[in-house]
Order: sequence, then C-alpha cells, then structure tokens
Amino acid sequence: GENVEQHPSTLSVQEGDSAVIKCTYSDSASNYFPWYKQELGKRPQLIIDIRSNVGEKKDQRIAVTLNKTAKHFSLHITETQPEDSAVYFCAAREMSGGSNYKLTFGKGTLLTVNP
Amino acid sequence: GAVVSQHPSWVICKSGTSVKIECRSLDFQATTMFWYRQFPKQSLMLMATSNEGSKATYEQGVEKDKFLINHASLTLSTLTVTSAHPEDSSFYICSARTRGRTETQYFGPGTRLLVL
Repeated sequence: GENVEQHPSTLSVQEGDSAVIKCTYSDSASNYFPWYKQELGKRPQLIIDIRSNVGEKKDQRIAVTLNKTAKHFSLHITETQPEDSAVYFCAAREMSGGSNYKLTFGKGTLLTVNP
Repeated sequence: GAVVSQHPSWVICKSGTSVKIECRSLDFQATTMFWYRQFPKQSLMLMATSNEGSKATYEQGVEKDKFLINHASLTLSTLTVTSAHPEDSSFYICSARTRGRTETQYFGPGTRLLVL
C-alpha cells in the first residue's frame, strides 16, 4: 500500500516568514494529494489539494507543488500569521481498493508561528 | 460547503459497555464514509471504509467484531465500539466523500472517548 513520509515533524517560524512542509509518497499511481490543517481538538480542514496532472497550485498565501518524478509534494505558506499555528497533514490517495480511493496521511507537522 | 456532524462529541463510559458514535453528512449525500482513530499528537489512522448499503471494509489489524460499522443511508454511518476497554480510549473522527466526486473528503468534528 501507499506510504507517506512527512517532514519536519515540528516547525517554528517568526510571524511574516515562510514555512515549507515536505512529503514523499511511494505509490506512483497515486494521483490526488490534499493538505489538511488541524487545530488542537478540532477536525482536520482541507486547505488545498493538487492533482497529478498539475505541478503547482496557489491559493492566496498557500501553495502546493508536486514533483511526480521524484514522488514528492510540498506545502508553502508565505507571510505566516499566528493563526496559521496548527498541525498540518499531507495525504496521498491510493488508487487500489476499487472505488474507495482511501487517503494515506503523513504523520503531521506541528507549525508554530511566533508573534 | 459540505458539512459533516458527529455525535456525541465526547463520551465517558465504564469498561465493558458499548458506545455508538453517529456520523452524518448534513447537506450532501455521501456514498462513502471513513472512520479514523487519532491518538494524541499522532496522525489519522484509517480504521474502516463504509459504503452505503454494503459491509464495511476494515483495515488490517482492526477488529471488525469490536468496531461495528453500519452505513444504513446516504447521510448516516455509525461506529459502535463494543465491550469498550481503556485501551479503546481515543479520538474517533469520521469523514465523508461527496457523491459524484472521488477526491474531497470532509471530516466530522470528532468524538473523544474515554473508557474508565
């Protein structure tokens, strides 16, 4: 099955700086890669996603890049704000299992933005 | 947007009792729902996938007789933790996928279970 590695596990930045979180996946057939933000005790919220036919996607201060050849994708947050502090999970969608298309999650990155 | 609710939000029970958790898609039909378990400071671990009207598919290592899943309608899935023990204490989160789209999953707010 799919294996997703995520780095770093913790990341601390100063407000206004950029933050980058990186993930690698093992199944070359995976074709959908979402990123979720989870605040303490709350549900994961989808913040951005990318499909394998696209190399980069941007939404305001958030961008995701995908390198299919190297099988890695990254989340970029610019001009970070204290409210960006949370745990971020990357995920890859497995193509096996018929129509279930289950997501495999990375272990998460705790991002702390210091004012 | 797509909203998923879960009930209860937290539950405390005695060891040996069964607990039922409901997951509802409020404004869309979800042909597929997923149940996850999350330990403190850890990632989301998929327990099972349920499709409306059919038996759930359990991940390796998850006891299907202990974690009963029922997906009776396009808007409701339930997870029953049978004969709960302290090691079953965890944060359980459901997720639903919108009908007609095979990608986007929306998560419920989670249920925190504490077994004494």
